[in-house]
Amino acid sequence: QVQLVESGGGVVQPGRSLRLSCAASGFTFSSYAMSWVRQAPGRGLEWVAVISFDGGNKYYADSVKGRFTISRDEYKNTLYLQMNSLRAEDTAVYYCAKNGEIIVGSTTGSFDFWGQGTLVTVSS
Amino acid sequence: QLVLTQTPSASASLGASVKLTCTLSSGHSSYAIAWHQQQPEKGPRYLMKLKSDGSHYKGDGIPDRFSGSSSGAERYLTISSLQSEDEADYYCQTWGSGIVVFGGGTKLTVL
Repeated sequence: QVQLVESGGGVVQPGRSLRLSCAASGFTFSSYAMSWVRQAPGRGLEWVAVISFDGGNKYYADSVKGRFTISRDEYKNTLYLQMNSLRAEDTAVYYCAKNGEIIVGSTTGSFDFWGQGTLVTVSS
Repeated sequence: QLVLTQTPSASASLGASVKLTCTLSSGHSSYAIAWHQQQPEKGPRYLMKLKSDGSHYKGDGIPDRFSGSSSGAERYLTISSLQSEDEADYYCQTWGSGIVVFGGGTKLTVL
């Protein structure tokens, strides 16, 4: 069965960096685009970034563009999110999500599996 | 601009039915969406993908009580025979070229 397990969250000071990981299993990781989605305390879901199945295309929300980098390692079946220059407003639970379909020429799509999330708190 | 609009809250009685609405912004009425459920203190769970023609594709293990339908720019999630565990936040999601968008979510209370 599909499993997505996030890790790497914690408390970090403003301006510092953190790298999140999402270990994937139960499906052919290299065939699917993957995303990061976050949820600030008491708020709704906010898409953060997406990476194509082969890592060739990456897109970001305006709120993180230039600060966050999404990447993937096909050998480790792992998705990453490198977060630099962190701000208080980046405080959230971060989820990784798997695209539901393989659509040639498209990176974005519906999500059909989610991880359980990892909490990032940016505070001095 | 691609935007999804949801009513912030809804309520219905145990055993009754409820229809939640997600509205696509102008010019995007042909877009498909996905519905996700988030129970309290849990991560989101995929319910279904819903196309503009009303055809929908549910996730594994999603009960028949959950169904989707479409009309113009509106996308609906109907939950029948409401159970206590259906009390949750429901989010719609859509996507375009290089972008993914979520609605603000609807908090469903089961009375």
